Amino acid sequence: AQTVTQSQPEMSVQEAETVTLSCTYDTSESDYYLFWYKQPPSRQMILVIRQEAYKQQNATENRFSVNFQKAAKSFSLKISDSQLGDAAMYFCAYKNYGGSQGNLIFGKGTKLSVKP
Amino acid sequence: ETGVTQTPRHLVMGMTNKKSLKCEQHLGHNAMYWYKQSAKKPLELMFVYSLEERVENNSVPSRFSPECPNSSHLFLHLHTLQPEDSALYLCASSPSLLAQYNEQFFGPGTRLTVL
Repeated sequence: AQTVTQSQPEMSVQEAETVTLSCTYDTSESDYYLFWYKQPPSRQMILVIRQEAYKQQNATENRFSVNFQKAAKSFSLKISDSQLGDAAMYFCAYKNYGGSQGNLIFGKGTKLSVKP
Repeated sequence: ETGVTQTPRHLVMGMTNKKSLKCEQHLGHNAMYWYKQSAKKPLELMFVYSLEERVENNSVPSRFSPECPNSSHLFLHLHTLQPEDSALYLCASSPSLLAQYNEQFFGPGTRLTVL
């Protein structure tokens, strides 16, 4: 069975600085998707960024980018120019590719605090 | 209303009560999900519906009973719950179960407290 591990329960970053959140996963599949979701306090969880495993190029969405290392099964999220609104729980998630094989598997999350 | 909505946002119930959680999606999606979010634990997938048919039930106790009357609505009926069932219950929807379309859109959740 696939697993997702986020080894940092809490992280803190100074406003305007850069922070990297770690995620590792375990799978025997070669095709899959990886996601980072953001859950602000008392607000809805939203998708931040998505990576297809067959793509070598790291996904980027404005200030958010990932470092996808397929061989190492690592999928870290980098937030550049951190803003106060980035404070939230961040969840790494995995999904097998194709059909309805399984569903999203989440890590335990990393709570990110942003200091002004 | 847009996106995924859930009612009520907060619910306190006794162990002998019967209550229902409601989820509605306004996105035209075909798949809907119930998750349980407890502190310091990964989100736990409870139920998955595709085109109103249940496709997955992850060993959830029978005191949780889902219902999907149509592709826009999903309910979670609760009865004789235990205090350890206190958690945030999240509803989500996606265009389909296929991975390439499986960005899930989440509702705000119902914070459930069982006394």
